[in-house]
Amino acid sequence: QVHLVESGGGLVKPGGSLRLSCAASGFTFSDYYMNWIRQAPGKGLEWISYITSSSNYAEYADSVRGRFTISRDNAKNSLYLEMNSLRAEDTAVYYCARESYFYDSSGNYYGWFDPWGQGTLVTVSS
Amino acid sequence: SYELTQPPSVSVSPGQTTRITCSGDALPKKYAYWYQQKSGQAPVLVIYEDNKRPSGIPERFFGSRSGTMATLTVSGAQVEDEADYYCYSTDISGYHRVFGGGTKLTVL
Repeated sequence: QVHLVESGGGLVKPGGSLRLSCAASGFTFSDYYMNWIRQAPGKGLEWISYITSSSNYAEYADSVRGRFTISRDNAKNSLYLEMNSLRAEDTAVYYCARESYFYDSSGNYYGWFDPWGQGTLVTVSS
Repeated sequence: SYELTQPPSVSVSPGQTTRITCSGDALPKKYAYWYQQKSGQAPVLVIYEDNKRPSGIPERFFGSRSGTMATLTVSGAQVEDEADYYCYSTDISGYHRVFGGGTKLTVL
């Protein structure tokens, strides 16, 4: 079955860096866009980035653009999130999620997140 | 930036029907999706493409969309349905993925 496992979370000081990984199994990883989504303690879900299946395009939420970089290695079935200049407000559980999708009759792309990993906690504190 | 608006909380008695709304300007042209998140767990998809249920999701979950509003209806709510529910869609460009603020459903 489809399985996503995040790793790399931990405690980091403000201004520091961290690299998250997401190991995928049970599906053809290279066929799907992938996403990172986070949830601050007691708060709602916040989409932060996606990357296309071939890595030719990525998009970011305004809150992380210029500080975070998403990447993937299709040979290793792995997704990554490089996080720099970390702030206290980046403290959250970070989830990776596969973007399931379909194209309508006009060729428009529609995607949604399914499934999700179990998440990894990032704490930014001095 | 694009926003989806949900009520912060909704309550329902067991066996009764409740509705959670999600409003957004791009919804007339974009599908809505709904996620259920129970305490301490990762979100789970309960509705996709406005009104389709993934395998394993009970029939009491029903989704609809009209104009700028999407609605998740839980008919005959069960105690195990108590959770946070998030709507999801994209802005009109399709590039930015957006979640609603979430609605806490209390069944009591």
